[in-house]
Amino acid sequence: NAGVTQTPKFRVLKTGQSMTLLCAQDMNHEYMYWYRQDPGMGLRLIHYSVGEGTTAKGEVPDGYNVSRLKKQNFLLGLESAAPSQTSVYFCASRGRRGAPANEKLFFGSGTQLSVL
Amino acid sequence: GQNIDQPTEMTATEGAIVQINCTYQTSGFNGLFWYQQHAGEAPTFLSYNVLDGLEEKGRFSSFLSRSKGYSYLLLKELQMKDSASYLCAVRVDSGTYKYIFGTGTRLKVLA
Repeated sequence: NAGVTQTPKFRVLKTGQSMTLLCAQDMNHEYMYWYRQDPGMGLRLIHYSVGEGTTAKGEVPDGYNVSRLKKQNFLLGLESAAPSQTSVYFCASRGRRGAPANEKLFFGSGTQLSVL
Repeated sequence: GQNIDQPTEMTATEGAIVQINCTYQTSGFNGLFWYQQHAGEAPTFLSYNVLDGLEEKGRFSSFLSRSKGYSYLLLKELQMKDSASYLCAVRVDSGTYKYIFGTGTRLKVLA
């Protein structure tokens, strides 16, 4: 059981380049999230999804787009990367409401992104 | 607005007890969570409180007072492997399950 898998693990971009981060979960989870983590800022919610085909904005959505075409995948896109987007990106997922075991978030191992 | 406050750093000695506090002011409340994050790794779930009181799980306990907007994580019999960041998070929406995280408390356990 792989859980939540993020690719790539590391990436260096030049300002203005685009890229897509992939998050895949094999737990049949309904809810998926993208966070960024910066020193002294904690985890900040970028976008999230409550089910296949749905997405919504979080706290810091500007400069990012997302898609959830398949239930198991949640893609985060940067159309024109900026140095301010240098960060560690974490994907997370959780199950449907009901069972206590579904209350916790499962995180991927993170993507270290540097924009030069 | 959403505001979750935790101390930035704490230091404790192996074998001791440490309490990490978290205060929150959020637009909604549907549960308080604690996660552990070792350097360079993903956060992992520790505990969850939705009602007032103490939840105990082995060496770790978490307390919640909703009227005071306050929680703490208590770590007993500290071990070197407990050196990590501890993240307090509030689920602010029962429908969409949005989670807001504090900045985390970096705990150093000294021998």
